[in-house]
Amino acid sequence: NAGVTQTPKFRVLKTGQSMTLLCAQDMNHEYMYWYRQDPGMGLRLIHYSVGEGTTAKGEVPDGYNVSRLKKQNFLLGLESAAPSQTSVYFCASSPRGPGGANVLTFGAGSRLTVL
Amino acid sequence: DAKTTQPNSMESNEEEPVHLPCNHSTISGTDYIHWYRQLPSQGPEYVIHGLTSNVNNRMASLAIAEDRKSSTLILHRATLRDAAVYYCILRVIISGSARQLTFGSGTQLTVLP
Repeated sequence: NAGVTQTPKFRVLKTGQSMTLLCAQDMNHEYMYWYRQDPGMGLRLIHYSVGEGTTAKGEVPDGYNVSRLKKQNFLLGLESAAPSQTSVYFCASSPRGPGGANVLTFGAGSRLTVL
Repeated sequence: DAKTTQPNSMESNEEEPVHLPCNHSTISGTDYIHWYRQLPSQGPEYVIHGLTSNVNNRMASLAIAEDRKSSTLILHRATLRDAAVYYCILRVIISGSARQLTFGSGTQLTVLP
């Protein structure tokens, strides 16, 4: 049982280049999330999805786009990378559940450096 | 949105209990209190969560104040593998039934051998 898998694990981009981070989960979870973590800080929510075909903005969505064409996959795109997007990106998923109880499962992270 | 406040760092000796505090004075009645931890170079890992009553699982215990404005994560016997950043988080409604975890900067726990 792989849980949440992120690819790639590492990537170096030049300013202005584009790329896509892929998140895949095999737990049949309804909800998926993309977070970024900058050095010495907590995680900040970029975008999230409450189901296949639906996405919504989180706390820091500017400069990113997402798509959820299949329930198990959540893609994070950078159309024109900027040095400020240098960060570690974490994907997470959770089941639909009552109240605020449902638990998140995180991937191992994708480290992105923009030169 | 409700916020949490945690000490930046704490130290503990191996095999001793550790009490990690968290203040959340603006918590609402429907906010669950979650604890996650992040080991070096890994993604956050779920530890425990609760609403009003104290909770126990194989990893830890969660003690919630009667007024719910604070909580304490208790590791009963710290091991070197417990050295991590511990996040106290409130599960906040963001859209319909979807919930957002708002992470603060957490508490860096150092376990001394």
